[in-house]
Amino acid sequence: AQSVSQHNHHVILSEAASLELGCNYSYGGTVNLFWYVQYPGQHLQLLLKYFSGDPLVKGIKGFEAEFIKSKFSFNLRKPSVQWSDTAEYFCAVNLPGGFKTIFGAGTRLFVKA
Amino acid sequence: IAGITQAPTSQILAAGRRMTLRCTQDMRHNAMYWYRQDLGLGLRLIHYSNTAGTTGKGEVPDGYSVSRANTDDFPLTLASAVPSQTSVYFCASSEGHTDTQYFGPGTRLTVL
Repeated sequence: AQSVSQHNHHVILSEAASLELGCNYSYGGTVNLFWYVQYPGQHLQLLLKYFSGDPLVKGIKGFEAEFIKSKFSFNLRKPSVQWSDTAEYFCAVNLPGGFKTIFGAGTRLFVKA
Repeated sequence: IAGITQAPTSQILAAGRRMTLRCTQDMRHNAMYWYRQDLGLGLRLIHYSNTAGTTGKGEVPDGYSVSRANTDDFPLTLASAVPSQTSVYFCASSEGHTDTQYFGPGTRLTVL
């Protein structure tokens, strides 16, 4: 069965530190990739997505992610985090032709002011 | 535009009771989804609907049923609630099944 793995369940960083959250998926074909974010007390919202083209995609609030097909990875990065980035981050994979999006278990990021 | 609304916001339910969680979208999206969010497990798909009149099973459909009588509404029913169904339930919709999903605010359900 297809799966999505997020390597870190909890990450604690100080403001201005760089962030990289890992995401790997297990599917050999073409995929659509997403990162969603859930801020405290809010519902999930899209951070960025990759369907095709340039494997380096930029999202809101300075986030970016790089699709590396050979590694089945879609890691999320931000050069300098802010306290307001404290949230839970979910990687998700959608298989073209299917009606199911598979989510990773999530990574809780806490940024210390 | 409200997007997706869910009701109730939270509910405490006795085991064995029947419960329907409501979800309504105003974006005229074709596809709708129900997820449950549990700590350490992320979001797991319960049921989905790719268009009005059709539904499909997700990863964890047992104990749940859905209907899609029209484009806007996608209720989730627990026929006889059990404590393992204690969770936060999110409804979502998307234009097409591979597109960005838009989520509702969630329903926190506790089954005692």
